[in-house]
Amino acid sequence: AQRVTQPEKLLSVFKGAPVELKCNYSYSGSPELFWYVQYSRQRLQLLLRHISRESIKGFTADLNKGETSFHLKKPFAQEEDSAMYYCALSPRGGGATNKLIFGTGTLLAVQP
Amino acid sequence: DTAVSQTPKYLVTQMGNDKSIKCEQNLGHDTMYWYKQDSKKFLKIMFSYNNKELIINETVPNRFSPKSPDKAHLNLHINSLELGDSAVYFCASSLRHTGELFFGEGSRLTVL
Repeated sequence: AQRVTQPEKLLSVFKGAPVELKCNYSYSGSPELFWYVQYSRQRLQLLLRHISRESIKGFTADLNKGETSFHLKKPFAQEEDSAMYYCALSPRGGGATNKLIFGTGTLLAVQP
Repeated sequence: DTAVSQTPKYLVTQMGNDKSIKCEQNLGHDTMYWYKQDSKKFLKIMFSYNNKELIINETVPNRFSPKSPDKAHLNLHINSLELGDSAVYFCASSLRHTGELFFGEGSRLTVL
């Protein structure tokens, strides 16, 4: 079964502290992984995708196929990073549809 | 302003009523989606249309009927509303073979 697990509902850190939002997935094939973010009063938007291998707003995420994880990291959290973060998986392969499967989300709260 | 827009943003209604939510995108995308976000913030796909053709229909009750008059519009009609239908419904669009979805602001449905 295809599944995305985010074990933490809430992660509270102080400004300047490192952040790691955990994401594990279950999929038999070769998925594409994403992180989406929803800031307060804004719409859900793409933060980054594993195939881009880029850093967005200081965040990075590495796909670890051995551990089936795609954790989101930032070395120094900022107050403006406070938001709801969703990890998502898209099955890949011939004829695959754009079915994004979301995790349950982690609310990141960065304290001043 | 290029975006995914959905109306209404808020909808409060009685059990048993029928209601519709409309969605429009002007991004030139060929695929549109409806997602349901429950009270625990869990996002689950309901339907997906590609060029007006239904391509994803998750196990959603028959009371939910999507309609896509053209590839820029995807409406959701719900018959005989139940308390459990209370949720935030998100419309999204994308190009079919990319994993980047663009979301609307959501429509919060409350069934009394």
